Amino acid sequence: QKEVEQNSGPLSVPEGAIASLNCTYSDRGSQSFFWYRQYSGKSPELIMSIYSNGDKEDGRFTAQLNKASQYVSLLIRDSQPSDSATYLCAVRGDTGGFKTIFGAGTRLFVKA
Amino acid sequence: NAGVTQTPKFQVLKTGQSMTLQCAQDMNHNSMYWYRQDPGMGLRLIYYSASEGTTDKGEVPNGYNVSRLNKREFSLRLESAAPSQTSVYFCASSEVWGAQETQYFGPGTRLLVL
Repeated sequence: QKEVEQNSGPLSVPEGAIASLNCTYSDRGSQSFFWYRQYSGKSPELIMSIYSNGDKEDGRFTAQLNKASQYVSLLIRDSQPSDSATYLCAVRGDTGGFKTIFGAGTRLFVKA
Repeated sequence: NAGVTQTPKFQVLKTGQSMTLQCAQDMNHNSMYWYRQDPGMGLRLIYYSASEGTTDKGEVPNGYNVSRLNKREFSLRLESAAPSQTSVYFCASSEVWGAQETQYFGPGTRLLVL
């Protein structure tokens, strides 16, 4: 079982719709959760971090965390073609020297 | 600030050749990382350095060595390249406050081993 799992996609949504990206993790002791965006041929960049159960909103992005279900999600409201990218879920735990583990990513396409 | 820089951007090696990938950061971060990214595999940690003078193995360390030269620089060496090491290599740095961390990535090195 992979430590951080994501649906590889591609996830295709029309412009203006809500894109919902999901991630599950195996380490129940995980403390920190991150979403990175990676455009094709570029390096990842952090867009959201969340540390406690519930929702965290930042502009059009909302991260949701449910530690009991070991589940974290990212919602993108009013999706734009510029949101088309691969979204990497990352989890930082309390084992293995507190290393951050990345999922394989979900490819998102926003159709104009 | 340049952030995290990596050299070279591209490299082609023959099997058995050696090379060193260079990474430097100007954000005064303590932690630095080397990842490889293969299609469908996400980012896999090769080695990391929590602070100057320390290095630790990550998920896929075999075939690699690292040196934390000083606080700014963290290099990755392939002693005898193999085709399985064809990948995109990313260096990252971060500062950690308890559970909080933001990793900043370099632009990547695209390596092809023939």
